[in-house]
Amino acid sequence: EDQVTQSPEALRLQEGESSSLNCSYTVSGLRGLFWYRQDPGKGPEFLFTLYSAGEEKEKERLKATLTKKESFLHITAPKPEDSATYLCAVQAPNTGNQFYFGTGTSLTVIP
Amino acid sequence: ETGVTQTPRHLVMGMTNKKSLKCEQHLGHNAMYWYKQSAKKPLELMFVYNFKEQTENNSVPSRFSPECPNSSHLFLHLHTLQPEDSALYLCASSQRGNTIYFGEGSWLTVV
Repeated sequence: EDQVTQSPEALRLQEGESSSLNCSYTVSGLRGLFWYRQDPGKGPEFLFTLYSAGEEKEKERLKATLTKKESFLHITAPKPEDSATYLCAVQAPNTGNQFYFGTGTSLTVIP
Repeated sequence: ETGVTQTPRHLVMGMTNKKSLKCEQHLGHNAMYWYKQSAKKPLELMFVYNFKEQTENNSVPSRFSPECPNSSHLFLHLHTLQPEDSALYLCASSQRGNTIYFGEGSWLTVV
Protein backbone atom coordinates (compact mmCIF):
# COMPACT_ATOMS: atom_id res chain seq x y z
CA GLU A 1 0.00 0.00 0.00
CA ASP A 2 1.09 3.59 -0.63
CA GLN A 3 2.74 5.15 2.38
CA VAL A 4 3.28 8.58 0.85
CA THR A 5 1.21 10.37 -1.80
CA GLN A 6 2.21 13.69 -3.31
CA SER A 7 -0.02 16.05 -5.25
CA PRO A 8 -0.23 17.53 -7.72
CA GLU A 9 2.07 15.47 -9.92
CA ALA A 10 3.03 18.61 -11.84
CA LEU A 11 2.46 22.30 -11.22
CA ARG A 12 3.08 25.32 -13.43
CA LEU A 13 3.13 28.74 -11.82
CA GLN A 14 3.73 32.23 -13.05
CA GLU A 15 6.61 33.98 -11.33
CA GLY A 16 5.25 35.50 -8.13
CA GLU A 17 2.19 33.23 -8.01
CA SER A 18 2.17 31.53 -4.60
CA SER A 19 0.94 27.96 -4.17
CA SER A 20 1.27 24.82 -2.06
CA LEU A 21 2.41 21.26 -2.63
CA ASN A 22 0.83 18.43 -0.66
CA CYS A 23 2.28 15.29 0.88
CA SER A 24 -0.15 12.92 2.59
CA TYR A 25 1.02 9.85 4.49
CA THR A 26 -0.50 6.77 6.06
CA VAL A 27 2.16 5.72 8.55
CA SER A 28 1.19 6.02 12.19
CA GLY A 29 3.56 7.22 14.84
CA LEU A 30 5.59 9.30 12.43
CA ARG A 31 9.27 9.62 13.36
CA GLY A 32 9.97 12.33 10.83
CA LEU A 33 8.83 13.86 7.54
CA PHE A 34 11.42 15.12 5.09
CA TRP A 35 11.29 17.47 2.11
CA TYR A 36 13.87 17.39 -0.66
CA ARG A 37 14.43 19.37 -3.84
CA GLN A 38 15.74 17.55 -6.90
CA ASP A 39 17.04 19.30 -10.01
CA PRO A 40 17.16 17.39 -13.31
CA GLY A 41 20.07 14.98 -13.46
CA LYS A 42 21.05 15.54 -9.82
CA GLY A 43 20.51 13.90 -6.47
CA PRO A 44 17.87 15.13 -4.01
CA GLU A 45 18.94 18.10 -1.88
CA PHE A 46 17.70 18.15 1.70
CA LEU A 47 15.35 21.02 2.62
CA PHE A 48 13.47 20.34 5.87
CA THR A 49 12.72 17.79 8.56
CA LEU A 50 9.46 17.99 10.54
CA TYR A 51 8.84 15.81 13.58
CA SER A 52 5.48 16.69 15.10
CA ALA A 53 2.08 18.06 14.12
CA GLY A 54 2.00 21.83 14.23
CA GLU A 55 5.68 22.20 13.45
CA GLU A 56 6.73 24.67 10.75
CA LYS A 57 10.07 25.33 9.08
CA GLU A 58 11.04 28.12 6.67
CA LYS A 59 13.82 28.72 4.20
CA GLU A 60 13.73 31.70 1.84
CA ARG A 61 10.49 31.38 -0.17
CA LEU A 62 9.67 27.91 1.17
CA LYS A 63 7.70 27.03 4.25
CA ALA A 64 6.89 23.47 5.33
CA THR A 65 4.07 22.59 7.71
CA LEU A 66 2.93 19.31 9.25
CA THR A 67 -0.37 17.89 10.48
CA LYS A 68 -1.17 14.38 11.66
CA LYS A 69 -1.98 13.22 8.14
CA GLU A 70 -0.19 15.51 5.73
CA SER A 71 2.45 18.09 5.09
CA PHE A 72 2.39 21.16 2.89
CA LEU A 73 5.25 22.91 1.18
CA HIS A 74 4.17 26.50 0.65
CA ILE A 75 6.00 28.48 -2.01
CA THR A 76 5.64 32.24 -1.70
CA ALA A 77 6.28 34.46 -4.73
CA PRO A 78 8.25 31.77 -6.57
CA LYS A 79 11.05 32.53 -9.00
CA PRO A 80 12.13 30.53 -12.05
CA GLU A 81 15.07 29.12 -10.07
CA ASP A 82 12.57 27.38 -7.78
CA SER A 83 11.69 25.09 -10.69
CA ALA A 84 12.53 21.53 -9.63
CA THR A 85 10.94 18.31 -8.42
CA TYR A 86 10.05 18.36 -4.73
CA LEU A 87 10.14 15.01 -2.93
CA CYS A 88 8.57 14.09 0.36
CA ALA A 89 9.66 11.16 2.54
CA VAL A 90 8.45 9.76 5.85
CA GLN A 91 10.13 7.66 8.46
CA ALA A 92 7.95 5.26 10.43
CA PRO A 93 8.71 4.19 14.00
CA ASN A 94 10.80 1.11 14.65
CA THR A 95 11.98 0.95 11.07
CA GLY A 96 15.53 2.07 11.62
CA ASN A 97 16.75 3.32 8.29
CA GLN A 98 13.57 2.79 6.27
CA PHE A 99 12.30 5.95 4.57
CA TYR A 100 9.21 5.92 2.32
CA PHE A 101 9.32 8.36 -0.58
CA GLY A 102 6.55 9.87 -2.69
CA THR A 103 6.82 10.23 -6.45
CA GLY A 104 7.34 13.98 -6.23
CA THR A 105 5.79 17.17 -7.57
CA SER A 106 7.42 18.69 -10.63
CA LEU A 107 7.27 22.48 -10.28
CA THR A 108 7.81 24.83 -13.19
CA VAL A 109 7.89 28.57 -12.57
CA ILE A 110 7.41 30.64 -15.71
CA PRO A 111 9.05 34.08 -15.93
CA GLU B 1 29.34 20.81 -3.50
CA THR B 2 28.18 17.69 -1.68
CA GLY B 3 29.24 15.63 1.31
CA VAL B 4 28.45 12.47 -0.64
CA THR B 5 30.45 11.86 -3.82
CA GLN B 6 29.49 9.32 -6.47
CA THR B 7 31.49 8.07 -9.44
CA PRO B 8 31.03 7.66 -12.29
CA ARG B 9 28.23 10.13 -12.99
CA HIS B 10 27.31 8.31 -16.20
CA LEU B 11 27.82 4.69 -17.16
CA VAL B 12 26.82 2.75 -20.25
CA MET B 13 27.30 -0.98 -20.09
CA GLY B 14 26.38 -4.05 -22.06
CA MET B 15 24.38 -6.85 -20.52
CA THR B 16 27.46 -9.06 -20.21
CA ASN B 17 29.73 -6.43 -18.66
CA LYS B 18 30.87 -6.10 -15.06
CA LYS B 19 31.17 -2.61 -13.63
CA SER B 20 31.07 -0.91 -10.24
CA LEU B 21 29.61 2.27 -8.83
CA LYS B 22 31.53 4.01 -6.08
CA CYS B 23 30.33 6.26 -3.27
CA GLU B 24 32.25 8.15 -0.60
CA GLN B 25 30.77 10.22 2.21
CA HIS B 26 32.66 12.99 4.02
CA LEU B 27 30.03 13.67 6.69
CA GLY B 28 31.17 11.29 9.42
CA HIS B 29 27.93 9.32 9.18
CA ASN B 30 27.58 5.70 10.21
CA ALA B 31 24.90 4.54 7.76
CA MET B 32 25.08 4.37 3.97
CA TYR B 33 22.41 3.52 1.41
CA TRP B 34 21.86 2.62 -2.22
CA TYR B 35 18.61 3.80 -3.80
CA LYS B 36 17.28 3.27 -7.33
CA GLN B 37 15.31 6.05 -9.00
CA SER B 38 13.23 5.29 -12.09
CA ALA B 39 10.88 7.64 -13.91
CA LYS B 40 7.44 8.05 -12.31
CA LYS B 41 8.33 5.76 -9.40
CA PRO B 42 9.22 6.50 -5.78
CA LEU B 43 12.81 6.05 -4.76
CA GLU B 44 13.43 2.36 -4.12
CA LEU B 45 15.67 1.40 -1.23
CA MET B 46 18.11 -1.30 -2.31
CA PHE B 47 20.64 -1.74 0.49
CA VAL B 48 21.49 -0.24 3.87
CA TYR B 49 24.74 -0.54 5.80
CA ASN B 50 25.19 0.47 9.43
CA PHE B 51 28.76 0.55 10.69
CA LYS B 52 29.79 -1.50 7.63
CA GLU B 53 27.20 -4.20 8.35
CA GLN B 54 24.37 -4.76 5.89
CA THR B 55 21.08 -4.34 7.70
CA GLU B 56 18.61 -4.23 4.82
CA ASN B 57 18.38 -5.88 1.44
CA ASN B 58 15.04 -5.15 -0.17
CA SER B 59 14.77 -8.26 -2.38
CA VAL B 60 17.32 -6.91 -4.80
CA PRO B 61 18.40 -9.29 -7.60
CA SER B 62 21.79 -10.90 -7.11
CA ARG B 63 23.13 -9.15 -10.21
CA PHE B 64 23.52 -6.17 -7.84
CA SER B 65 26.17 -6.80 -5.20
CA PRO B 66 26.99 -4.18 -2.56
CA GLU B 67 30.27 -3.81 -0.70
CA CYS B 68 31.01 -1.56 2.28
CA PRO B 69 34.69 -1.78 3.28
CA ASN B 70 34.36 0.99 5.88
CA SER B 71 31.79 3.51 7.08
CA SER B 72 32.89 6.09 4.49
CA HIS B 73 32.89 4.01 1.32
CA LEU B 74 30.20 2.06 -0.47
CA PHE B 75 30.29 0.19 -3.76
CA LEU B 76 27.64 -1.34 -5.96
CA HIS B 77 29.01 -4.10 -8.19
CA LEU B 78 27.01 -4.72 -11.34
CA HIS B 79 27.05 -7.80 -13.57
CA THR B 80 24.79 -9.28 -16.25
CA LEU B 81 22.31 -6.45 -15.92
CA GLN B 82 19.07 -6.13 -17.89
CA PRO B 83 17.85 -3.08 -19.85
CA GLU B 84 15.17 -2.50 -17.18
CA ASP B 85 17.98 -1.85 -14.69
CA SER B 86 18.71 1.43 -16.47
CA ALA B 87 18.04 4.16 -13.89
CA LEU B 88 19.60 6.76 -11.64
CA TYR B 89 21.41 5.07 -8.74
CA LEU B 90 21.69 7.24 -5.67
CA CYS B 91 24.02 6.81 -2.76
CA ALA B 92 23.13 8.42 0.56
CA SER B 93 24.36 8.57 4.12
CA SER B 94 22.97 9.43 7.54
CA GLN B 95 23.72 9.33 11.19
CA ARG B 96 21.60 6.25 11.91
CA GLY B 97 17.92 7.05 11.95
CA ASN B 98 18.32 10.71 11.09
CA THR B 99 18.08 12.79 7.91
CA ILE B 100 19.65 11.15 4.88
CA TYR B 101 21.86 13.11 2.50
CA PHE B 102 22.21 12.11 -1.12
CA GLY B 103 24.99 12.17 -3.67
CA GLU B 104 24.54 13.45 -7.22
CA GLY B 105 23.75 10.00 -8.53
CA SER B 106 25.11 7.68 -11.20
CA TRP B 107 23.11 7.44 -14.42
CA LEU B 108 23.23 3.85 -15.63
CA THR B 109 22.22 2.79 -19.11
CA VAL B 110 22.21 -0.92 -19.95
CA VAL B 111 22.34 -1.69 -23.67
